[in-house]
Amino acid sequence: DAGVIQSPRHEVTEMGQEVTLRCKPISGHNSLFWYRQTMMRGLELLIYFNNNVPIDDSGMPEDRFSAKMPNASFSTLKIQPSEPRDSAVYFCASSFLGRGPLHFGNGTRLTVT
Amino acid sequence: AQKITQTQPGMFVQEKEAVTLDCTYDTSDQSYGLFWYKQPSSGEMIFLIYQGSYDEQNATEGRYSLNFQKARKSANLVISASQLGDSAMYFCAIGGYDTETSYDKVIFGPGTSLSVIP
Repeated sequence: DAGVIQSPRHEVTEMGQEVTLRCKPISGHNSLFWYRQTMMRGLELLIYFNNNVPIDDSGMPEDRFSAKMPNASFSTLKIQPSEPRDSAVYFCASSFLGRGPLHFGNGTRLTVT
Repeated sequence: AQKITQTQPGMFVQEKEAVTLDCTYDTSDQSYGLFWYKQPSSGEMIFLIYQGSYDEQNATEGRYSLNFQKARKSANLVISASQLGDSAMYFCAIGGYDTETSYDKVIFGPGTSLSVIP
């Protein structure tokens, strides 16, 4: 079991650039979650998928954020255009049926300058 | 909607002592699960312990135990014999069936920072 794999581990980009974060969930898990962690707001649920279908994206901050899950083994979170306030650690997590426990990836630390 | 409250932003405990981290929750779901995660300074999220709402016995995992009081809607984490490596952020989370979306979701509390003093 390789665990949840996220890439890249660190991303530094300039304001206005497009950023794509990637996640490979644990094989067999059918629920996938994207979280954002900041000092000010803690761990925020952005979106979650069940069987590759987006179920609730009410946590996505604005239209600049989009997420896809084209198949059971891959998901992306895209920010276009990026802004300095998007700087945070972005976690992907997966589980079976969404009832947990969630297995987290190591996160992507995004810095937008 | 579900909500998690952790009222202790920071806690200190002497090495080898026990410590209780508080967690209260709010949910209208009949079936739900409660989780605790540890996040050390390195940043990874480590699953510690799980309690199902219908479990009659409190969950235990090694030095971790969950003091589950359903009527009070509390799920406190007890760490026995604290070690220096226990210094970290601790997050309580609730997962359950979201009646609005008909699917499960997991919501985290704000966390408690635990410092173990030698």
